[in-house]
Amino acid sequence: QVQLQESGPGLVKPSGTLSLTCAVSGGSISSSNWWSWVRQPPGKGLEWIGEIYHSGSTNYNPSLKSRVTISVDKSKNQFSLKLSSVTAADTAVYYCARDGGITGTTYAFDIWGQGTMVTVSS
Amino acid sequence: EIVLTQSPGTLSLSPGERATLSCRASQSVSSSYLAWYQQKPGQAPRLLIYGASSRATGIPDRFSGSGSGTDFTLTISRLEPEDFAVYYCQQYGSSPQWTFGQGTKVEIK
Repeated sequence: QVQLQESGPGLVKPSGTLSLTCAVSGGSISSSNWWSWVRQPPGKGLEWIGEIYHSGSTNYNPSLKSRVTISVDKSKNQFSLKLSSVTAADTAVYYCARDGGITGTTYAFDIWGQGTMVTVSS
Repeated sequence: EIVLTQSPGTLSLSPGERATLSCRASQSVSSSYLAWYQQKPGQAPRLLIYGASSRATGIPDRFSGSGSGTDFTLTISRLEPEDFAVYYCQQYGSSPQWTFGQGTKVEIK
């Protein structure tokens, strides 16, 4: 079955760039799915960051769009998140997720990574 | 942007009781685009319901979803100890494509 695993630095300096990767195993990133990033500040709710299709098409949350870049590497079966000009407000657990289900037609995130905590601090 | 408002913020119930969670949208949402998730401390969210009323794979039938338009409900018919968690609704729309409610915590009374 498909599994997702986030990786990247757990500590980023203010004004720097947060970079995370989500490795897809047990399936192909070129399936009929979009692939999303979601974050959750400590003790708070979920915020969708953006998504990518294997073709490279992307959609971003307007609240973060100016600072976000999501890319895909089909050769490595993974996708990545870059968030620039970070502040303490970007401290959160970052999740990657698959949306679309097995057929790509389910409007929900059926598979999630375990999440990775990123702290923005000097 | 469609805003999802969940109520109540916290629900205090005992095992065996029925839980009714509400998710209200600021504009009409297609039932196909409404999902519910469960999240326990230190864990990723888990998909419970998609398409407003379809249970995801492996979800017990004590979980059910209903609703249409702007009002949706997640019902847990009889709470089991493992059901005490935070629940989020989510909708698919346009710009942003995905939004979540703020969550309802179901705690042990």
